[in-house]
Amino acid sequence: AQSVTQPDIHITVSEGASLELRCNYSYGATPYLFWYVQSPGQGLQLLLKYFSGDTLVQGIKGFEAEFKRSQSSFNLRKPSVHWSDAAEYFCAVATTSGTYKYIFGTGTRLKVLA
Amino acid sequence: EAGVAQSPRYKIIEKRQSVAFWCNPISGHATLYWYQQILGQGPKLLIQFQNNGVVDDSQLPKDRFSAERLKGVDSTLKIQPAKLEDSAVYLCASSPGGLAWETQYFGPGTRLLVL
Repeated sequence: AQSVTQPDIHITVSEGASLELRCNYSYGATPYLFWYVQSPGQGLQLLLKYFSGDTLVQGIKGFEAEFKRSQSSFNLRKPSVHWSDAAEYFCAVATTSGTYKYIFGTGTRLKVLA
Repeated sequence: EAGVAQSPRYKIIEKRQSVAFWCNPISGHATLYWYQQILGQGPKLLIQFQNNGVVDDSQLPKDRFSAERLKGVDSTLKIQPAKLEDSAVYLCASSPGGLAWETQYFGPGTRLLVL
């Protein structure tokens, strides 16, 4: 069965430091992968997605993610974190057989220290 | 372009009561989704509509939950009767055609507390 694992429930970084959020997936075929961000009281917003081509994907707000098939990973990175990046981040995989739907990870809550 | 609208934003009810949530997707989007997000978990798909037809409702607790999308535009999700474990945020999302690589656009959600 398809699944997404985000091993880190909470991460705290200092403003200006680099960030990497981990995501591992389990899916038999080539996955469609997404990272969404959820700020308090708001819905989810797409940061970036991968479905083919270059395995390094650029997104909004200075985020990027790299698809590594051999490691079944799709880690999110940002070279320098801003205080406004404090939020919850969700990785998702879209199934590509039958009806298409997202399977979300449990999320990683990011805290940014001033 | 207006985003996905949801109402109410918050709702508190007692167990065994009924409640309804409303969603208006982005104009022109054929596919509408309802998700349940329990505290500390990622969103879980409850039901997916393509226009006014149900595509997937495999995770919808049909003994108490129902949803409809009349005329293929806005949608309502109902819980009757509510249980304590239904306390969650209910998110509505829409996408242009329901394809796997499409972005889903989410509304702000309705936070439900069942006492």
